[in-house]
Amino acid sequence: NAGVTQTPKFQVLKTGQSMTLQCAQDMNHNSMYWYRQDPGMGLRLIYYSASEGTTDKGEVPNGYNVSRLNKREFSLRLESAAPSQTSVYFCASSAAGSGASNEQFFGPGTRLTVL
Amino acid sequence: QKEVEQDPGPLSVPEGAIVSLNCTYSNSAFQYFMWYRQYSRKGPELLMYTYSSGNKEDGRFTAQVDKSSKYISLFIRDSQPSDSATYLCAMTDTGGFKTIFGAGTRLFVKA
Repeated sequence: NAGVTQTPKFQVLKTGQSMTLQCAQDMNHNSMYWYRQDPGMGLRLIYYSASEGTTDKGEVPNGYNVSRLNKREFSLRLESAAPSQTSVYFCASSAAGSGASNEQFFGPGTRLTVL
Repeated sequence: QKEVEQDPGPLSVPEGAIVSLNCTYSNSAFQYFMWYRQYSRKGPELLMYTYSSGNKEDGRFTAQVDKSSKYISLFIRDSQPSDSATYLCAMTDTGGFKTIFGAGTRLFVKA
């Protein structure tokens, strides 16, 4: 089992460019999440998907869109990147929503720099 | 005021010391409490998971939850250099989808 995988690992963008971060999990989890991690701020939830076909905003959704492509995959899109979106992005999944707990399993992260 | 407060440290201890890491929170709806360990340039990994108040022990790690004081703790016994990492507390309500994380405490264990 690979667990949660993310691509790419690193990315540098110019202001105004767009990109999509990919995430996949092989644990048959219902729920998937996107977080960003900034120094001194901890992990902040951008969007989550409680189940296939649903998505909801988290704490910091502005400037982002998401797609739950199927049960395995959850992508995060930056339509017009801004320097304030420079961060480390983590995808996570959990069995929450199927009567199980909300223990989340994280991917290795994507380091994004917007110039 | 943040929903979850955690001292960022850094906390530096000698090998073999007992380490105490703490978080306070303000939302009384939180029911599930977690501790994650994050090594440099890696994703967080779940260490301990507790429901409601009480203690939970797993090897050298003990998690405590005091809901009356809105205070949670993680104790590490016989600390090792390999325990050097950032420790994140996290909590969620019964809905379970919106987990709130503390900012993390950086721990250094010196050999």
